[in-house]
Amino acid sequence: EVQLVESGEGLVQTGGSLTLSCAASGFTLSNYGMHWVRQAPGKGLEYVSGISSDGGSTFYADSVRGRFTISRDSSKNTLSLQMGSLRVEDMAVYYCARGRGGYGDGHFDYWGQGTLVTVSS
Amino acid sequence: QSVLTQPPSVSGAPGQRVTISCTGSSSNIGAGSDVHWYQHLPGTAPKLLIYGNSNRPSGVPDRFSASKSGTSASLAITGLQAEDEADYYCQSYDSSLSRWVFGGGTKLTVL
Repeated sequence: EVQLVESGEGLVQTGGSLTLSCAASGFTLSNYGMHWVRQAPGKGLEYVSGISSDGGSTFYADSVRGRFTISRDSSKNTLSLQMGSLRVEDMAVYYCARGRGGYGDGHFDYWGQGTLVTVSS
Repeated sequence: QSVLTQPPSVSGAPGQRVTISCTGSSSNIGAGSDVHWYQHLPGTAPKLLIYGNSNRPSGVPDRFSASKSGTSASLAITGLQAEDEADYYCQSYDSSLSRWVFGGGTKLTVL
């Protein structure tokens, strides 16, 4: 059974840093593109970041580029998101999701339950 | 402002049919990018409902269907049930932005 479990929930001040993790089971994470999607309070889903199946390409929303870094540890079957220079607008529930397809047909077939990032000013 | 536009809310009585629209542009849906749909209950993991414009993953009831035409797509739910009450999101890929994009979400209320 495919499972994604996020961790790293926390409260940080603006300008601070936090690292989220996503533990995958039931499949080999390095065989798939993996992504982070967030939902701010009262808002919709927003694409944040992704890494290709071969690890050679990473993707970032303009709002987080240069502040967030996505990576994966194949030995632990884990995806990570290092978040720096956090802003109030980064406060959200962060979901990791497994990608399928390429660019034009890319979608997310399994999602985790999410982990909450709170940023205080 | 989401790249894909959805109505904020729709509603219907049990047993009825509702549709949710998703309007994009020539750089995403109109460019040939597929549209996918997700069902999301707050506090839970979003669930893939439709992929590749009209395909249902295993386990999704055939009450859910979707189509795409031009720069728009739509999700239809027939035989509405109380358990269908959730937020629904469309998603595609935008070639101008070079990233995957979501609609703003539509809250479905079952009356």
